[in-house]
Order: sequence, then structure tokens, then C-alpha cells
Amino acid sequence: SAVISQKPSRDICQRGTSLTIQCQVDSQVTMMFWYRQQPGQSLTLIATANQGSEATYESGFVIDKFPISRPNLTFSTLTVSNMSPEDSSIYLCSVDQGGETQYFGPGTRLLVL
Amino acid sequence: AQKITQTQPGMFVQEKEAVTLDCTYDTSDPSYGLFWYKQPSSGEMIFLIYQGSYDQQNATEGRYSLNFQKARKSANLVISASQLGDSAMYFCAMGTPSGTYKYIFGTGTRLKVLA
Repeated sequence: SAVISQKPSRDICQRGTSLTIQCQVDSQVTMMFWYRQQPGQSLTLIATANQGSEATYESGFVIDKFPISRPNLTFSTLTVSNMSPEDSSIYLCSVDQGGETQYFGPGTRLLVL
Repeated sequence: AQKITQTQPGMFVQEKEAVTLDCTYDTSDPSYGLFWYKQPSSGEMIFLIYQGSYDQQNATEGRYSLNFQKARKSANLVISASQLGDSAMYFCAMGTPSGTYKYIFGTGTRLKVLA
């Protein structure tokens, strides 16, 4: 399976600021996904990042709040904009390699004060 | 609507014993996949096992097996010979190939293995 890294691994941010999370894969992948896991909750899909096209957002998530870039087949970024304490979560990227199984990065723990 | 249900918020098991974590699902798609992931306190999501809706046999991966009962729409995870390192959150997920193969996750079960 692909090796996936995320930066930063954790951060503490002030409300009103923005944070960009990077996801790097060691091989080319077609689909990359971004998830949010709020404290004590399950994972919720934010968007699907396709190379060369706009990301596809799930209901309840908008591009202005969570802009996503996918410049190539091994890299994607998720920005959490104008943060509030409610954005405190673990953010995870995942990839599939053409099959059904998704493999996840280690996650980014975000605390917004 | 698609749905994944995990009814056990927490489970305890004695070390070296087997444990079953329950998962039921609902979908109208004839083709789907069922997955189990382990999330230790570090937060990473570790893929454990996959079962396709058309698979005739239950999936197995080492100490993990998936008890797939299609008519009952259940996909329970069985962990044999539990180890202390198995203590974690376990999430059941379902993916359907409607355009992009997207997942929905259950609410998770926290497993604690006792020495």
C-alpha cells in the first residue's frame, strides 16, 4: 500500500486564522480524499480531490471554508479557513490506488483557541 | 439512504480471547464494499479487512475475520486471540461505486483488552 504523510502532524491556531494541511503520497494515485473527525466522533468526508479539476465537496462543506488543491498525482492540500473552535478536529487524507480500499495518512490534529 | 450502524460504543475482552464487533449496514446498491479500520490513540486509521458484496467467502486477514451475513446486512469483525495492542477504536465503513468510491463510516466501537 502507498505510504502517506501529512504535515503538520498537529497545530494550535488562533480563531480567525487559516491553516494549510499537506498530504504527500509516495506513488501516483487517482483519487485523494479529505476527512474530518471531530472530537469523539466518526469520520466525515469533506471532499474528493481530483488531479486537474475542482474538488468535489460533500453536503455541508464549501470551497470557501475548505479550499483544496491537487496539483499532481502525489500531492494535495486542504486549507481550513477563518477558523473557529468548532474546527478543532483531526483532519485525515486518504487515497485509493484504483481498488476499493482507502489508505489513510497519519492525520493532522488541529486545536483552535 | 446508505447507513452504517455500530451499536457497541465500548467493549472489553480478556487477553487471548476472541471478540466480535458488530456492524450492520443499509444500502440499495447491489455492489458495495465493507471495511474495518483500527484507530489507536495516535489517530491514524489502519486498514484491517475488506469484504466485497459479491464475495462468496468471508474475508480473513491473520487474526481478523469478517463474518459477512448478506441477508441480515451485517459485517461483524472477529478478532481472535486478542492482544493488549488491539485496544483501540474500530470503525466499520461501507463504500459504493456511485461515481467515486466514497465511504461512509459507523460511529465506532472502543475496544479495551484486559491483561
